[in-house]
Amino acid sequence: DTEVTQTPKHLVMGMTNKKSLKCEQHMGHRAMYWYKQKAKKPPELMFVYSYEKLSINESVPSRFSPECPNSSLLNLHLHALQPEDSALYLCASSQARGSYGYTFGSGTRLTVV
Amino acid sequence: ELKVEQNPLFLSMQEGKNYTIYCNYSTTSDRLYWYRQDPGKSLESLFVLLSNGAVKQEGRLMASLDTKARLSTLHITAAVHDLSATYFCGNFGNEKLTFGTGTRLTIIP
Repeated sequence: DTEVTQTPKHLVMGMTNKKSLKCEQHMGHRAMYWYKQKAKKPPELMFVYSYEKLSINESVPSRFSPECPNSSLLNLHLHALQPEDSALYLCASSQARGSYGYTFGSGTRLTVV
Repeated sequence: ELKVEQNPLFLSMQEGKNYTIYCNYSTTSDRLYWYRQDPGKSLESLFVLLSNGAVKQEGRLMASLDTKARLSTLHITAAVHDLSATYFCGNFGNEKLTFGTGTRLTIIP
Protein backbone atom coordinates (compact mmCIF):
# COMPACT_ATOMS: atom_id res chain seq x y z
CA ASP A 1 0.00 0.00 0.00
CA THR A 2 1.67 3.21 -1.19
CA GLU A 3 -1.18 5.62 -0.67
CA VAL A 4 -2.33 8.30 1.71
CA THR A 5 -6.11 8.12 2.04
CA GLN A 6 -8.12 11.16 3.03
CA THR A 7 -11.79 11.26 3.97
CA PRO A 8 -14.16 12.81 3.26
CA LYS A 9 -13.33 14.05 -0.24
CA HIS A 10 -15.77 16.94 0.07
CA LEU A 11 -17.20 18.62 3.16
CA VAL A 12 -19.64 21.48 3.57
CA MET A 13 -20.04 22.79 7.09
CA GLY A 14 -21.67 25.70 8.85
CA MET A 15 -19.73 28.10 11.02
CA THR A 16 -21.15 26.56 14.20
CA ASN A 17 -20.48 22.95 13.23
CA LYS A 18 -17.81 20.59 14.48
CA LYS A 19 -16.33 18.21 11.95
CA SER A 20 -13.17 16.17 11.47
CA LEU A 21 -10.92 15.35 8.55
CA LYS A 22 -9.21 11.98 8.50
CA CYS A 23 -5.94 10.87 6.96
CA GLU A 24 -4.57 7.32 6.92
CA GLN A 25 -1.41 5.69 5.62
CA HIS A 26 -0.06 2.15 5.93
CA MET A 27 3.44 2.68 4.56
CA GLY A 28 5.07 2.70 7.98
CA HIS A 29 5.78 6.42 7.68
CA ARG A 30 6.45 8.14 11.01
CA ALA A 31 5.96 11.76 9.92
CA MET A 32 2.61 13.17 8.86
CA TYR A 33 1.61 16.63 7.72
CA TRP A 34 -1.40 18.85 7.18
CA TYR A 35 -1.28 21.45 4.41
CA LYS A 36 -3.92 24.02 3.44
CA GLN A 37 -4.27 25.14 -0.17
CA LYS A 38 -6.41 28.06 -1.23
CA ALA A 39 -7.50 28.34 -4.85
CA LYS A 40 -4.68 29.23 -7.25
CA LYS A 41 -2.14 29.29 -4.38
CA PRO A 42 0.60 26.90 -3.26
CA PRO A 43 0.00 24.53 -0.35
CA GLU A 44 0.91 26.03 3.03
CA LEU A 45 2.11 23.93 5.93
CA MET A 46 -0.14 23.82 8.99
CA PHE A 47 1.13 21.02 11.24
CA VAL A 48 3.84 18.38 11.39
CA TYR A 49 3.66 15.23 13.47
CA SER A 50 6.73 13.13 14.07
CA TYR A 51 6.39 9.79 15.87
CA GLU A 52 2.85 10.78 16.87
CA LYS A 53 4.02 13.98 18.54
CA LEU A 54 3.27 17.46 17.29
CA SER A 55 6.58 18.98 16.22
CA ILE A 56 5.57 22.00 14.14
CA ASN A 57 2.50 24.23 14.44
CA GLU A 58 2.68 27.06 11.94
CA SER A 59 0.72 29.47 14.16
CA VAL A 60 -2.56 27.95 13.04
CA PRO A 61 -5.73 29.31 14.73
CA SER A 62 -7.08 27.14 17.55
CA ARG A 63 -10.26 26.40 15.60
CA PHE A 64 -8.06 23.81 13.85
CA SER A 65 -7.04 21.03 16.22
CA PRO A 66 -4.81 18.21 14.99
CA GLU A 67 -4.62 14.78 16.53
CA CYS A 68 -2.42 11.77 15.82
CA PRO A 69 -3.94 8.77 17.64
CA ASN A 70 -1.43 6.29 16.20
CA SER A 71 1.33 6.05 13.62
CA SER A 72 -1.10 5.43 10.74
CA LEU A 73 -3.78 7.96 11.45
CA LEU A 74 -3.94 11.76 11.47
CA ASN A 75 -7.05 13.78 12.18
CA LEU A 76 -7.85 17.46 11.86
CA HIS A 77 -10.72 18.59 14.09
CA LEU A 78 -12.60 21.65 12.93
CA HIS A 79 -14.73 23.94 15.07
CA ALA A 80 -16.24 27.38 14.55
CA LEU A 81 -14.60 27.86 11.18
CA GLN A 82 -14.92 30.97 9.05
CA PRO A 83 -15.78 31.16 5.34
CA GLU A 84 -12.17 32.12 4.60
CA ASP A 85 -11.13 28.69 5.89
CA SER A 86 -12.67 27.15 2.78
CA ALA A 87 -9.82 25.42 0.96
CA LEU A 88 -8.33 22.10 -0.10
CA TYR A 89 -6.78 20.37 2.90
CA LEU A 90 -3.97 18.02 2.00
CA CYS A 91 -2.42 15.36 4.16
CA ALA A 92 1.05 14.01 3.47
CA SER A 93 3.41 11.51 5.01
CA SER A 94 7.11 10.70 4.84
CA GLN A 95 9.30 7.97 6.28
CA ALA A 96 10.53 10.35 8.95
CA ARG A 97 10.57 14.07 9.48
CA GLY A 98 13.22 15.33 7.11
CA SER A 99 13.00 12.36 4.75
CA TYR A 100 12.87 13.31 1.13
CA GLY A 101 9.91 11.20 -0.01
CA TYR A 102 6.61 13.00 0.61
CA THR A 103 3.40 11.21 -0.39
CA PHE A 104 0.31 13.39 -0.62
CA GLY A 105 -3.30 12.33 -0.22
CA SER A 106 -6.01 13.37 -2.64
CA GLY A 107 -7.26 16.06 -0.27
CA THR A 108 -10.51 17.18 1.31
CA ARG A 109 -12.31 20.06 -0.36
CA LEU A 110 -13.81 22.06 2.52
CA THR A 111 -16.49 24.70 2.12
CA VAL A 112 -17.56 26.75 5.13
CA VAL A 113 -20.97 28.40 4.76
CA GLU B 1 12.48 34.08 6.05
CA LEU B 2 12.30 31.09 3.77
CA LYS B 3 11.41 32.09 0.18
CA VAL B 4 10.77 29.94 -2.84
CA GLU B 5 10.05 31.86 -6.01
CA GLN B 6 8.95 30.52 -9.35
CA ASN B 7 8.63 32.13 -12.71
CA PRO B 8 6.78 32.51 -14.82
CA LEU B 9 3.47 32.33 -12.94
CA PHE B 10 1.59 31.62 -16.14
CA LEU B 11 2.86 29.99 -19.29
CA SER B 12 0.93 29.39 -22.45
CA MET B 13 2.82 27.53 -25.11
CA GLN B 14 2.18 25.75 -28.35
CA GLU B 15 2.48 22.04 -28.76
CA GLY B 16 5.90 20.98 -29.94
CA LYS B 17 7.74 23.93 -28.38
CA ASN B 18 10.32 23.91 -25.61
CA TYR B 19 10.26 26.01 -22.47
CA THR B 20 11.78 26.30 -18.99
CA ILE B 21 10.31 27.04 -15.57
CA TYR B 22 12.64 28.56 -12.99
CA CYS B 23 12.68 28.09 -9.23
CA ASN B 24 14.84 30.15 -6.85
CA TYR B 25 15.11 29.34 -3.17
CA SER B 26 16.63 31.19 -0.24
CA THR B 27 17.74 28.51 2.22
CA THR B 28 21.07 26.70 2.38
CA SER B 29 19.22 23.38 2.19
CA ASP B 30 19.71 22.01 -1.30
CA ARG B 31 16.82 19.58 -1.36
CA LEU B 32 14.48 20.49 -4.17
CA TYR B 33 11.20 18.92 -5.25
CA TRP B 34 9.00 19.28 -8.31
CA TYR B 35 5.30 18.46 -8.22
CA ARG B 36 2.48 18.52 -10.73
CA GLN B 37 -1.10 19.39 -9.82
CA ASP B 38 -4.12 18.99 -12.08
CA PRO B 39 -7.19 21.16 -11.35
CA GLY B 40 -9.02 19.98 -8.24
CA LYS B 41 -6.50 17.21 -7.65
CA SER B 42 -3.67 16.49 -5.28
CA LEU B 43 0.07 16.81 -5.83
CA GLU B 44 1.92 14.29 -7.94
CA SER B 45 5.63 13.95 -7.24
CA LEU B 46 7.79 14.43 -10.32
CA PHE B 47 11.40 14.80 -9.18
CA VAL B 48 13.55 15.06 -6.07
CA LEU B 49 16.94 16.73 -6.54
CA LEU B 50 19.47 16.42 -3.76
CA SER B 51 22.87 17.59 -4.96
CA ASN B 52 24.57 20.20 -7.11
CA GLY B 53 24.41 19.36 -10.76
CA ALA B 54 21.67 16.77 -10.28
CA VAL B 55 19.65 16.18 -13.42
CA LYS B 56 16.61 13.96 -13.69
CA GLN B 57 14.45 13.23 -16.70
CA GLU B 58 11.07 11.63 -17.17
CA GLY B 59 9.55 11.71 -20.62
CA ARG B 60 9.39 15.30 -21.86
CA LEU B 61 10.32 16.79 -18.49
CA MET B 62 13.83 17.35 -17.23
CA ALA B 63 14.77 18.94 -13.90
CA SER B 64 18.16 20.23 -12.81
CA LEU B 65 19.67 21.81 -9.72
CA ASP B 66 22.38 24.45 -9.33
CA THR B 67 23.03 24.77 -5.61
CA LYS B 68 25.52 27.62 -6.02
CA ALA B 69 22.87 29.78 -7.66
CA ARG B 70 20.11 28.23 -5.51
CA LEU B 71 18.25 27.63 -8.72
CA SER B 72 16.34 24.71 -10.13
CA THR B 73 14.86 24.47 -13.60
CA LEU B 74 12.13 22.33 -15.09
CA HIS B 75 12.58 22.02 -18.84
CA ILE B 76 9.75 20.94 -21.09
CA THR B 77 10.67 19.46 -24.44
CA ALA B 78 8.25 19.29 -27.39
CA ALA B 79 5.23 20.05 -25.24
CA VAL B 80 2.04 18.03 -25.61
CA HIS B 81 -1.45 18.87 -24.35
CA ASP B 82 -1.25 16.28 -21.55
CA LEU B 83 1.38 18.40 -19.83
CA SER B 84 -1.13 21.17 -19.11
CA ALA B 85 -1.19 21.52 -15.30
CA THR B 86 0.20 23.64 -12.48
CA TYR B 87 3.80 22.86 -11.55
CA PHE B 88 5.18 23.58 -8.10
CA CYS B 89 8.73 23.47 -6.91
CA GLY B 90 9.38 22.96 -3.23
CA ASN B 91 12.46 23.47 -1.06
CA PHE B 92 13.06 21.57 2.13
CA GLY B 93 14.58 24.09 4.49
CA ASN B 94 14.18 25.00 8.17
CA GLU B 95 12.89 21.46 8.70
CA LYS B 96 9.87 21.89 6.46
CA LEU B 97 8.83 21.70 2.82
CA THR B 98 7.87 25.09 1.42
CA PHE B 99 6.34 25.45 -2.02
CA GLY B 100 6.95 28.01 -4.71
CA THR B 101 4.16 30.12 -6.12
CA GLY B 102 3.42 27.65 -8.90
CA THR B 103 3.46 27.90 -12.69
CA ARG B 104 0.20 27.35 -14.50
CA LEU B 105 1.10 25.75 -17.80
CA THR B 106 -1.34 25.64 -20.70
CA ILE B 107 -0.41 23.82 -23.89
CA ILE B 108 -2.22 25.07 -26.96
CA PRO B 109 -2.74 22.75 -29.94
